[in-house]
Amino acid sequence: DGGITQSPKYLFRKEGQNVTLSCEQNLNHDAMYWYRQDPGQGLRLIYYSQIVNDFQKGDIAEGYSVSREKKESFPLTVTSAQKNPTAFYLCATQFEWRSNQPQHFGDGTRLSIL
Amino acid sequence: AQTVTQSQPEMSVQEAETVTLSCTYDTSESDYYLFWYKQPPSRQMILVIRQEAYKQQNATENRFSVNFQKAAKSFSLKISDSQLGDAAMYFCAYRDSGGGADGLTFGKGTHLIIQP
Repeated sequence: DGGITQSPKYLFRKEGQNVTLSCEQNLNHDAMYWYRQDPGQGLRLIYYSQIVNDFQKGDIAEGYSVSREKKESFPLTVTSAQKNPTAFYLCATQFEWRSNQPQHFGDGTRLSIL
Repeated sequence: AQTVTQSQPEMSVQEAETVTLSCTYDTSESDYYLFWYKQPPSRQMILVIRQEAYKQQNATENRFSVNFQKAAKSFSLKISDSQLGDAAMYFCAYRDSGGGADGLTFGKGTHLIIQP
């Protein structure tokens, strides 16, 4: 989606290092989401935010942290506590969390361990 | 917790033929949304079609249609006149209509191969 920008496209993490994945949107959507995709798996929800200054843990939040200080931005930090961070990470937005509208996805960030 | 099951890891179809991808889900909710997303090799997630559980009529988008069986908790995707550009991973996804945890619950996907 042209309205959702994820960066970088590729990211490498060293042992013990925290890294931050960026997600920016200009769709004026209230809700934002982070998903993780492993090979042969569907997407799994890490964190979500229904509104600015609020966020909730998803199914696999351990080892990750987020913030939502601005409506447009929802960065995801992969901490050193996440022992298996190699995966494809997708950010999504939704008009509002109760909406029947679908989620829109960014192009993703591939994170690998050095 | 809701679960989504796609029992076909891979499907193959001849170009111009019709193929049906299966999806079943488990939920105790009466109102929810169902989606099919397509993920080509570029890894973008593209919405194919969506269905609202309270609507009995099956959704249709051009060559794509669904067979929504609420009592059986089944939500299959039919692709008519298959084209080479339809080759991708297809994911079925579920979402509650509101309240409680948010976000989509995905199946593991079906890899669709189009034979020329």
